[in-house]
Amino acid sequence: QSALTQPASVSGSPGQSITISCTGTSSDVGGYNYVSWYQQHPGKAPKLMIYDVSNRPSGVSNRFSGSKSGNTASLTISGLQAEDEADYYCSSYTSSSTSFGGGTKLTVL
Amino acid sequence: EVQLVQSGAEVKKPGESLKISCKGSGYSFTSYWIGWVRQMPGKGLEWMGIIYPGDSDTRYSPSFQGQVTISADKSISTAYLQWSSLKASDTAMYYCVRREPRAYFDYWGQGTLVTVSS
Repeated sequence: QSALTQPASVSGSPGQSITISCTGTSSDVGGYNYVSWYQQHPGKAPKLMIYDVSNRPSGVSNRFSGSKSGNTASLTISGLQAEDEADYYCSSYTSSSTSFGGGTKLTVL
Repeated sequence: EVQLVQSGAEVKKPGESLKISCKGSGYSFTSYWIGWVRQMPGKGLEWMGIIYPGDSDTRYSPSFQGQVTISADKSISTAYLQWSSLKASDTAMYYCVRREPRAYFDYWGQGTLVTVSS
């Protein structure tokens, strides 16, 4: 069982917005602004999409945004595109360790 | 350009030992933590541990403490993950990652598939 809880799947139509939640505790998500999000396409290595809760690395589309409230972080993808279909994982620092969420499969209908 | 290049796929038998590698380039290898992440077939990501090549400070996830050994040779900018006695349940893809100080992984290796089967 993963330390961080994500929904197993979400879906949306092209052009719509979706949000993926990531729920932890005050010892991880709620205690630090060190939440990151990763996108993984089948057969590929994960790719960093968001770091420090809401920052985008260079080259990541501004359709991806992150936020946090209390012990829950969120990844929002706006203007869904077919290429966004992938697995998404959240991650959080937790007192000298790191936790991942169980992953969310995004289906673009 | 920052790159992490991992060693190739391995097929081993239960009880055998194994050491896989991850060579960093394009940055100061001794200035960043290098970590290992496991992904079992069809499953999610699991953080195994990290090492700071500058002084070999190593931290393990409680789930992997005693099960694997993480090491690094800074003279050749290479980190390692090793097992002394593999089990079938070690079958997985293993990724090395560069970890930024604020605990996110900005660069990933291409992955090394380890298959353990009799």
